[in-house]
Amino acid sequence: GQQLNQSPQSMFIQEGEDVSMNCTSSSIFNTWLWYKQDPGEGPVLLIALYKAGELTSNGRLTAQFGITRKDSFLNISASIPSDVGIYFCAGLRRNQFYFGTGTSLTVIP
Amino acid sequence: DTEVTQTPKHLVMGMTNKKSLKCEQHMGHRAMYWYKQKAKKPPELMFVYSYEKLSINESVPSRFSPECPNSSLLNLHLHALQPEDSALYLCASSQAPSGGQETQYFGPGTRLLVL
Repeated sequence: GQQLNQSPQSMFIQEGEDVSMNCTSSSIFNTWLWYKQDPGEGPVLLIALYKAGELTSNGRLTAQFGITRKDSFLNISASIPSDVGIYFCAGLRRNQFYFGTGTSLTVIP
Repeated sequence: DTEVTQTPKHLVMGMTNKKSLKCEQHMGHRAMYWYKQKAKKPPELMFVYSYEKLSINESVPSRFSPECPNSSLLNLHLHALQPEDSALYLCASSQAPSGGQETQYFGPGTRLLVL
């Protein structure tokens, strides 16, 4: 299936630091979604983006739909221990969702 | 309400057993999905139902058999599974496929162990 390149693969940060991760592709997408997944649980939707250039916030989270429609980024400000988990991006193209490879976040208290 | 429910939460089955996974949503979504997920990997698409009709089958072995009895329910029937089928099985739903603004919501998953 189509791959979305997500980076970084993993991050180890101190509590209170800001985090940035991104997804890129060679293809154009109509929608970008960002999820957080805890072990053994289903992905939980964090932010949905529908228009090129759109910048959306959800509390300490901010995400942007790239102007070229081929990328998106997610920022987390002032990280806290409960931010630990795996973050996935997903892009919608031709009625199918494609997932990034995931970013594993560890927050050190 | 953006809830997708799945039962059971956990399932252990032998290779000769027959079992079913169930999924339900009441958001009026007309697309429903089954994904398989291995630890620390992204979800892998298995099946998509659109308006209760199977629209995508990602070359899934026939020991997995999906069923969509109505627009709110999705089942996955399991028979003669292999140990390598052990994984987290996720159900998801989204608005009617339109190539435009869609948001996909996941259920909590069924953790399957095949012995």
